[in-house]
Amino acid sequence: DTAVSQTPKYLVTQMGNDKSIKCEQNLGHDTMYWYKQDSKKFLKIMFSYNNKELIINETVPNRFSPKSPDKAHLNLHINSLELGDSAVYFCASSPPGLAGTGELFFGEGSRLTVL
Amino acid sequence: GESVGRHLPTLSVQEGDNSIINCAYSNSASDYFIWYKQESGKGPQFIIDIRSNMDKRQGQRVTVLLNKTVKHLSLQIAATQPGDSAVYFCAESTQGAQKLVFGQGTRLTINP
Repeated sequence: DTAVSQTPKYLVTQMGNDKSIKCEQNLGHDTMYWYKQDSKKFLKIMFSYNNKELIINETVPNRFSPKSPDKAHLNLHINSLELGDSAVYFCASSPPGLAGTGELFFGEGSRLTVL
Repeated sequence: GESVGRHLPTLSVQEGDNSIINCAYSNSASDYFIWYKQESGKGPQFIIDIRSNMDKRQGQRVTVLLNKTVKHLSLQIAATQPGDSAVYFCAESTQGAQKLVFGQGTRLTINP
């Protein structure tokens, strides 16, 4: 069974469109994250949620809106896509009480290409 | 963006040799450090971690060394195998920060 799963794995779309990436974890973790990895492999945190509550928003444009319907799901919706949004987006989760001080469990990534 | 001007460092080693991957961190308040391995097309996977009250920790074929004086972290891989080819990231966090901050990554290539 996949611990952290993201869909879709690949997404190709035109500038100006709106798209969503979904993430689910079956590890029973309380905290979930979205990271963005650019073409040079630089990994940067975007958001984190703890038990459905937003705890980190790393100065991400408000075109990006995360939503956590429950603690096992964290979705990422992106409005008015721009070329610079092209990247691989990783979802991750961490065990209760260990946010930021323990292992993160990553999904396989969702590669977004904006044309 | 943040990666402008950055390049991905590479390290090339012979199969069977030991590899040492280095990482410098900037936040002297960081108290937790972790190494991840990312294979092509996959998400980062945990290798080993270390807390700031230690200076060395060993796992299976891997050792992490922490030098807080110079803010330096290293990952040693013994008897490198083809399956070790990947990009390796160090990450750090500070208690209460509730997030891991990743370093730039190093691509390890194994020569047969």
